[in-house]
Amino acid sequence: SAVISQKPSRDICQRGTSLTIQCQVDSQVTMMFWYRQQPGQSLTLIATANQGSEATYESGFVIDKFPISRPNLTFSTLTVSNMSPEDSSIYLCSASGNTIYFGEGSWLTVV
Amino acid sequence: GDSVTQMEGPVTLSEEAFLTINCTYTATGYPSLFWYVQYPGEGLQLLLKATKADDKGSNKGFEATYRKETTSFHLEKGSVQVSDSAVYFCALILNTGNQFYFGTGTSLTVIP
Repeated sequence: SAVISQKPSRDICQRGTSLTIQCQVDSQVTMMFWYRQQPGQSLTLIATANQGSEATYESGFVIDKFPISRPNLTFSTLTVSNMSPEDSSIYLCSASGNTIYFGEGSWLTVV
Repeated sequence: GDSVTQMEGPVTLSEEAFLTINCTYTATGYPSLFWYVQYPGEGLQLLLKATKADDKGSNKGFEATYRKETTSFHLEKGSVQVSDSAVYFCALILNTGNQFYFGTGTSLTVIP
């Protein structure tokens, strides 16, 4: 089965800066998803990243704040831009091919 | 280490049949437990959750009870519908940590 490598696993970020999270899959997948889990809440889908087209964002999420790249069938990045303490969350990458795979999450704390 | 073990699929049921998808976990500390569902072409949706022992999560006719003594969180539904066809994931997150642990997913197909 495919393995997803997500990094960084954890980071402390300064307010106003941006951070890019990388998600690498060891086999080709069709769809990739980015989720956020804020403290005390459940996973919320940010966007769906499809190779060769722009990401599709869910209500409440915009490209300027969460730009996503999907340059090929095995890799995607999510950038959290101009961070504020409200962006402190776990960000999770998932990939859908023959089955569905999950990264281990990236825990960002904004100070 | 921490992990989630989920019943292998695929599962095929007739409409109105009873559904059980088994999930057991291994965790240090006291995890929160979740069932997520993914319909074809869509992202994960939270189905239900439980944050402490003996809690019962329920939603859309699905139920699961957090059993600390058996380290289980089995998903049940009394009467499935065709629209329940999806992949179901059991997951945990430690209350002291940041890492998700997902089961491998169970594909459910309900036939009329």
